[in-house]
Amino acid sequence: TQLLEQSPQFLSIQEGENLTVYCNSSSVFSSLQWYRQEPGEGPVLLVTVVTGGEVKKLKRLTFQFGDARKDSSLHITAAQPGDTGLYLCAGAKGTYKYIFGTGTRLKVLA
Amino acid sequence: GAGVSQSPSNKVTEKGKDVELRCDPISGHTALYWYRQSLGQGLEFLIYFQGNSAPDKSGLPSDRFSAERTGGSVSTLTIQRTQQEDSAVYLCASSQRTSQETQYFGPGTRLLVL
Repeated sequence: TQLLEQSPQFLSIQEGENLTVYCNSSSVFSSLQWYRQEPGEGPVLLVTVVTGGEVKKLKRLTFQFGDARKDSSLHITAAQPGDTGLYLCAGAKGTYKYIFGTGTRLKVLA
Repeated sequence: GAGVSQSPSNKVTEKGKDVELRCDPISGHTALYWYRQSLGQGLEFLIYFQGNSAPDKSGLPSDRFSAERTGGSVSTLTIQRTQQEDSAVYLCASSQRTSQETQYFGPGTRLLVL
């Protein structure tokens, strides 16, 4: 079974703090996506990274794809309560199949 | 429609009963996925449809699970003889094509098997 392990599983921080979420696998992926999911809703795509070593920034969020395309990280600067949610990474295998990570549940306290 | 819709939003059933879950993808999207999400966990791939091609059913956990996609649009996921371990959120997603296209997810159907 191909697994994407995310760490930490749970994270509770104060507003204004920085945090990093990790997504690790022994498998190589053609691309990797990050999603955020809020209670009662489906996941919403944040970013797709394709090239090994790629870094993408989305406002206060910075995403990095590992050089070997086996791992990724999501860094949030100055977290806000609106960042609260379940963060999921998903690695693409082939042209359409995605392996989803175990998830990181983030709570940002005001 | 504006997005992917799923019905029902919640379903409570008794062990052994059959259930049907429906997904209406975004108009024009040729790719459709079903996933299962256990409480607070990541998503488990179930099945993938692309246009008129044969679906990839490799993620279906048992022969009690089946899915159809009629006319390349609406899809139905059927679970026969439900078991308590089938309790989960069933998510549907659609995308314009494949190959790293953005998947748009519906809100899911929360299934509880008593």
